[in-house]
Amino acid sequence: SQTIHQWPATLVQPVGSPLSLECTVEGTSNPNLYWYRQAAGRGLQLLFYSVGIGQISSEVPQNLSASRPQDRQFILSSKKLLLSDSGFYLCAWKRAGGRDTQYFGPGTRLTVL
Amino acid sequence: EDQVTQSPEALRLQEGESSSLNCSYTVSGLRGLFWYRQDPGKGPEFLFTLYSAGEEKEKERLKATLTKKESFLHITAPKPEDSATYLCAVQIRTSGSRLTFGEGTQLTVNP
Repeated sequence: SQTIHQWPATLVQPVGSPLSLECTVEGTSNPNLYWYRQAAGRGLQLLFYSVGIGQISSEVPQNLSASRPQDRQFILSSKKLLLSDSGFYLCAWKRAGGRDTQYFGPGTRLTVL
Repeated sequence: EDQVTQSPEALRLQEGESSSLNCSYTVSGLRGLFWYRQDPGKGPEFLFTLYSAGEEKEKERLKATLTKKESFLHITAPKPEDSATYLCAVQIRTSGSRLTFGEGTQLTVNP
């Protein structure tokens, strides 16, 4: 079976500090990978998605970037955090191609102070 | 512009009191509609996928239905453990695998 991991689970960072959130998927190959941000516990906003190693599509211009150094690893980064970067960050995976469901990880709660 | 609207924003039910949550969408070519359940501080948990009008899916006390304009999540005789935020998302034919989410309905079931 497939599992998705995210770490850290929670993070408190000062404004202007760098960020690195990691997501890994087990039990599948060549998945589509996604980063979402959820503010105030409601709707999800798609930030980035990737269909393969080194292939990143950005949905929203912002202070963040994403990378996919390995097939089942997806990283969300920032060089300098802003207060507005606070939120709940969710990673998701989907089987490549077709209409298959996206499955979400446990999330990372980021607080920027 | 593609839009997904969920109503109500919040719903309080007594245990055993059946009700429905609504997800209306205005999109150019629906490829699929997804329902998720999210508990506080956790990632969304997949419930159902619906692909065409008239389709229905059931799981325990939940039943999802789809028309050309909206989807309903029917909750029959809910229990307190059904309390959660229910999210609806659509996949559009011209947008690849990307999902557009509604803002969710926060359901509270009182014992």
